[in-house]
Formats: sequence, C-alpha cells, structure tokens
Amino acid sequence: EIVLTQSPGTLSLSPGERATLSCRASQSLSRSFLAWYQQKVGQAPRLLIYATSSRATGIPDRFSGSGSGTDFTLTISRLEPEDFAVYHCQQYGTSPYTFGQGTKLEIK
Amino acid sequence: QVQLVQSGAEVRKPGASVKVSCKASGYSFSAHHFHWVRQAPGQRLEWMGIINPSGGSTSYSKKFQGRVTMTTSTSTSTVYMELSSLGSADTAVYYCARAGNTGWQGIASYYDYWGQGTLVTVSS
Repeated sequence: EIVLTQSPGTLSLSPGERATLSCRASQSLSRSFLAWYQQKVGQAPRLLIYATSSRATGIPDRFSGSGSGTDFTLTISRLEPEDFAVYHCQQYGTSPYTFGQGTKLEIK
Repeated sequence: QVQLVQSGAEVRKPGASVKVSCKASGYSFSAHHFHWVRQAPGQRLEWMGIINPSGGSTSYSKKFQGRVTMTTSTSTSTVYMELSSLGSADTAVYYCARAGNTGWQGIASYYDYWGQGTLVTVSS
C-alpha cells in the first residue's frame, strides 16, 4: 500500500499570502495519478486538482499543482478567506487508493 | 446538475450491519463508477471499494473484504454499501463519490462529485 505523508500538519498564514502544501508518497506514483481535495468542517471533500496539475471545473487559477515521482505540491498563490480548510492528497493509480493525513490551513 | 444524495445517519450496536444508499441524479448513471470512502474521527480518508453501476462488478479493499457489499439499482440510479460485523472502529462518516473518468477509466480515478456523507455510529 502506498503511504502518503503530508506536510506540514498545520499551516498558519494570513489572507493574501502564498501557501505551499506538500505530499510525499512512499513509492513513485504511476502516471502521476495524484489529486488534491479541500474539505471544510461538516462538508464532503471537494476536488481541486487531478492528474497532479489539472484544475477541476470551477476551481480558481490561484490553485495549482505540481510534482512527479514521489513529491507533489499544492500551491495557493494568494490566500482568500474561503481557502482556510483542510487539504487532502490522494493517489489513485494503485489500489488500494490512499489519502494523506491532511494539512490544516488556518488563519494566522 | 450532478447530485449524489445519501441516506441519513445510523446508529448500530456492535456486531450489527448497516446499509447506506447513494442516489445519483443529473447525469447518465451508468457512465461513471462509484467509490466509497470513509472518514473516522481524527483519521485520514480511507478507500473502501468501487462498483460499476453498469453490471454491478465490484472491487473491495482487502481491509474490508468479507465485510462489505456494494450493490446498484439502475432503475432508481442508486448505489448501496452494506458493512457487516460492525465494531466501534467503524464509527465514521461514509461517503459515496463519483469517478471523474468515465467507463473503465473510472476504476483508477479521482472523484469529482461526492455525496454529503452518512454518519454511522457504532455503540452499545
């Protein structure tokens, strides 16, 4: 099973700042099948990025994804108040499909 | 618009079973696989398995093999997930999620739409 480790566990930033979230896989991901989701309290996850760097429908261009092999990054260029939430990465190339433990992005 | 609407919260005693439904609307039901994912308190999201709504073929995570059954009803555009031999560790929010890719590519896929989640509480 591929283990995904996200860092940091919690990121404290202010609106307008840049956020960089990391997701590291225990083995190289096949075909860069990595997705990022945003989850707010009491809500289901929402797809942000798939295939490492493709934005989902309706996702603002301040969200971007990059990476390859075992190291992946979600970048939010300028934080808006609604961006403070928990972010999960997921690999969907090798069953069982696994998720990271999440990064909480909180207002500083 | 695409919607996945799940059944309501459930409380079960240890050893019992629970069946959660997920009704889809707003698109061609048979075109996308469904995955089930759960989230226990303070834990990471956990993939449980997948079902092809066209034909009903399934693939389950080894962790749940023997305890989980996923089924489909094309007449009502609904998929179901039944989990048996419940224990306290099964207390979680259970989500259905639609594969973003269509057809067989939905087996290894991200999830573009999610149900609202169903809280299952296992307590004596």
